Amino acid sequence: DTGVSQDPRHKITKRGQNVTFRCDPISEHNRLYWYRQTLGQGPEFLTYFQNEAQLEKSRLLSDRFSAERPKGSFSTLEIQRTEQGDSAMYLCASSPGGDEQFFGPGTRLTVL
Amino acid sequence: GESVGLHLPTLSVQEGDNSIINCAYSNSASDYFIWYKQESGKGPQFIIDIRSNMDKRQGQRVTVLLNKTVKHLSLQIAATQPGDSAVYFCAENSYGNQFYFGTGTSLTVIP
Repeated sequence: DTGVSQDPRHKITKRGQNVTFRCDPISEHNRLYWYRQTLGQGPEFLTYFQNEAQLEKSRLLSDRFSAERPKGSFSTLEIQRTEQGDSAMYLCASSPGGDEQFFGPGTRLTVL
Repeated sequence: GESVGLHLPTLSVQEGDNSIINCAYSNSASDYFIWYKQESGKGPQFIIDIRSNMDKRQGQRVTVLLNKTVKHLSLQIAATQPGDSAVYFCAENSYGNQFYFGTGTSLTVIP
């Protein structure tokens, strides 16, 4: 257990529905990252927060995806109008400012 | 764009033997590399890192080698144990805080 928690651990939804995931980083960590991982592949960077500011976004993050970190602590990732191609593991990681990232257990999304 | 790939998708070793996992990267501007271990149902776990101004770095039972000439990275695990069975990823950083991960190598340790 790295100290990073994610909720829910599993989510099954129907195509077209909206889903929201939550990440609680290690409390003193000011950096927070979201990744997407599909089966057999490495994690793909989605976005990065420094405190409450979203500083970097991948081109993978379409306009259906939005992430927030309103108070610089927990973060949410919302996917609107889900598609089957959104099925993946969504990973959150936090960092105290150095390079090492501490990953949470992930939220597995299945879109039917 | 960046491309990080692994030479072998699977690797099986006998317990006690040394393991070598390889990784090729394509972006010569990458200046920082990390090896992660991912067990089933868990997020990736940091193992060891190396910066581009180094060619070797050692940790506990693990060594990372970096060959910038051929853009190759390797992870050596000494005296491999059953608990080392997992998928191993290399990740590179060349821009800001974006890390690019390879496909992964599945290591199986045979008791």
